Amino acid sequence: QKEVEQDPGPLSVPEGAIVSLNCTYSNSAFQYFMWYRQYSRKGPELLMYTYSSGNKEDGRFTAQVDKSSKYISLFIRDSQPSDSATYLCAMSAVTGNQFYFGTGTSLTVIP
Amino acid sequence: NAGVTQTPKFQVLKTGQSMTLQCAQDMNHEYMSWYRQDPGMGLRLIHYSVGAGITDQGEVPNGYNVSRSTTEDFPLRLLSAAPSQTSVYFCASSYHRGPYEQYFGPGTRLTVT
Repeated sequence: QKEVEQDPGPLSVPEGAIVSLNCTYSNSAFQYFMWYRQYSRKGPELLMYTYSSGNKEDGRFTAQVDKSSKYISLFIRDSQPSDSATYLCAMSAVTGNQFYFGTGTSLTVIP
Repeated sequence: NAGVTQTPKFQVLKTGQSMTLQCAQDMNHEYMSWYRQDPGMGLRLIHYSVGAGITDQGEVPNGYNVSRSTTEDFPLRLLSAAPSQTSVYFCASSYHRGPYEQYFGPGTRLTVT
């Protein structure tokens, strides 16, 4: 079983829609949760970073962590064509020196 | 700051050849790492370093060597290239003494024929 599972999509939505991206994980020791955005043929760029449970909001982006369900989400409000990219979740234990990545979800926002 | 830089951007090798992928960061980050990204497999950790002189293996270290003689540089060496090493390689760094909030370089696309 993979440490982190992420639906690869692809996901296609109209401009202005609310997008929900999700990951599940198996290791209950994971405490750090991150979301990266990766444009085609570019390196991943850090989008959101949360520790333990709860929500974190940054502009149009909201990250949620539900540790009881081992489930994390990224919501994008008022989605824009510039949001079209692959979104990767990643997570780690507090004492870990390794981050485990999901395989990424491909998102296209149609104008 | 240039951030994390990687060279070369593209490389084609023949089976059995060796080469070094370069990675440098100018942010005085302690933690540096190398990942490979393959379709359907996501990003997989090859090696990482928590500071100069300290390296350790990640999930897929076979066929690769690293060293960390300075804080800034973290080269990845392919000892004897194999077609299975065809991939996109990313270097990343973090100011934490761990992989949190990593910043990635632009990647090196490697093809082994």
